[in-house]
Amino acid sequence: GAGVSQSPSNKVTEKGKDVELRCDPISGHTALYWYRQRLGQGLEFLIYFQGNSAPDKSGLPSDRFSAERTGESVSTLTIQRTQQEDSAVYLCASSLAAGSYTIYFGEGSWLTVV
Amino acid sequence: EDKVVQSPLSLVVHEGDTVTLNCSYEVTNFRSLLWYKQEKKAPTFLFMLTSSGIEKKSGRLSSILDKKELFSILNITATQTGDSAVYLCAPVRGNEKLTFGTGTRLTIIP
Repeated sequence: GAGVSQSPSNKVTEKGKDVELRCDPISGHTALYWYRQRLGQGLEFLIYFQGNSAPDKSGLPSDRFSAERTGESVSTLTIQRTQQEDSAVYLCASSLAAGSYTIYFGEGSWLTVV
Repeated sequence: EDKVVQSPLSLVVHEGDTVTLNCSYEVTNFRSLLWYKQEKKAPTFLFMLTSSGIEKKSGRLSSILDKKELFSILNITATQTGDSAVYLCAPVRGNEKLTFGTGTRLTIIP
């Protein structure tokens, strides 16, 4: 696609429910990143994919968070048993390949846990 | 642990002023530094700096990297209200992980 596409753009969920956030990277981009940004705070790295494998999962905050990528394309970030502190914008980004560091961000998915 | 410090945290200036935003960093396996502008949700790319001392320019914006002193600056001349945003810097490590600073919130008063 023309840009990084994320869905849903907004999600309100009850505490304890599971949510899935989807990211569709720019066509042909092999590297894909997930970041989290809480209100008024900086971007936190969550996980990075090169192709379908995740060399760096160091930013996932707990075992309630998981992510997968299939077909070197779409990625899904899953948050199980959501907590109020999970409320944030979840940003996905992609870049052409390893070694190409210009990364392009999607518009984000705003998650509110009530 | 990687560190990225941006200063000032917040800056308010009048339209037409020139501003300088600072980014200092300590990361292992440093490869390059990126600057982004964040107005709403998605940061937009401004510059990628790899070599020390070489200024990159785009219109009224310019940026330079000092790999010896471990910092970068972003200059904006003749500021406009559309420049109001959070400006983020992010050093790139050898393993592709970007570590973002908390940003400088720039507000331009008409």
